[in-house]
Amino acid sequence: EAGVAQSPRYKIIEKRQSVAFWCNPISGHATLYWYQQILGQGPKLLIQFQNNGVVDDSQLPKDRFSAERLKGVDSTLKIQPAKLEDSAVYLCASSTHRGRAYEQYFGPGTRLTVT
Amino acid sequence: SQQGEEDPQALSIQEGENATMNCSYKTSINNLQWYRQNSGRGLVHLILIRSNEREKHSGRLRVTLDTSKKSSSLLITASRAADTASYFCATDTGRRALTFGSGTRLQVQP
Repeated sequence: EAGVAQSPRYKIIEKRQSVAFWCNPISGHATLYWYQQILGQGPKLLIQFQNNGVVDDSQLPKDRFSAERLKGVDSTLKIQPAKLEDSAVYLCASSTHRGRAYEQYFGPGTRLTVT
Repeated sequence: SQQGEEDPQALSIQEGENATMNCSYKTSINNLQWYRQNSGRGLVHLILIRSNEREKHSGRLRVTLDTSKKSSSLLITASRAADTASYFCATDTGRRALTFGSGTRLQVQP
């Protein structure tokens, strides 16, 4: 079974530029998550999709971050314009979300450096 | 703020020793999960314990859950150099996706 795919793996941009990350979840997984992980901290949820609908985006800085999941499969996360504090690893995860208990499968992440 | 907080923040042991890390959380949970993250990699699910369970085993891993104290512990027995990683607890409250703690960084010296 193929895992969660993410690209690019690394990105360096200047502040005020825009950037986009792509995620392909495990086939058949209805739920997709984007997390932000700042160095030395645990992942923080940015947005959760159930199929192509948003379940939770309460921690997404909507003035600069946007995400979409067209057709309920792949997803993109965009930052425009980027700030220095956006430097982090952006993790995508997916799960089957059957029942109340579920585990999440994570991709390798995209390491973003904003200079 | 983080729902789960791990203790200690960092732990260094010799190969063959046991490693114990703890997690405390604040609100009622449906289940608690432990994940491992190797440097520069994504997180890998290790074990899930439901709120009505007190102890669970998986290979060299032993997890306990005390809902009255809102705490959990992860024990890795007979540690190996390959166990070197960061370990995170994550709580499922049923209201949103998992909430992760800040992690314990484990270093196993060969």
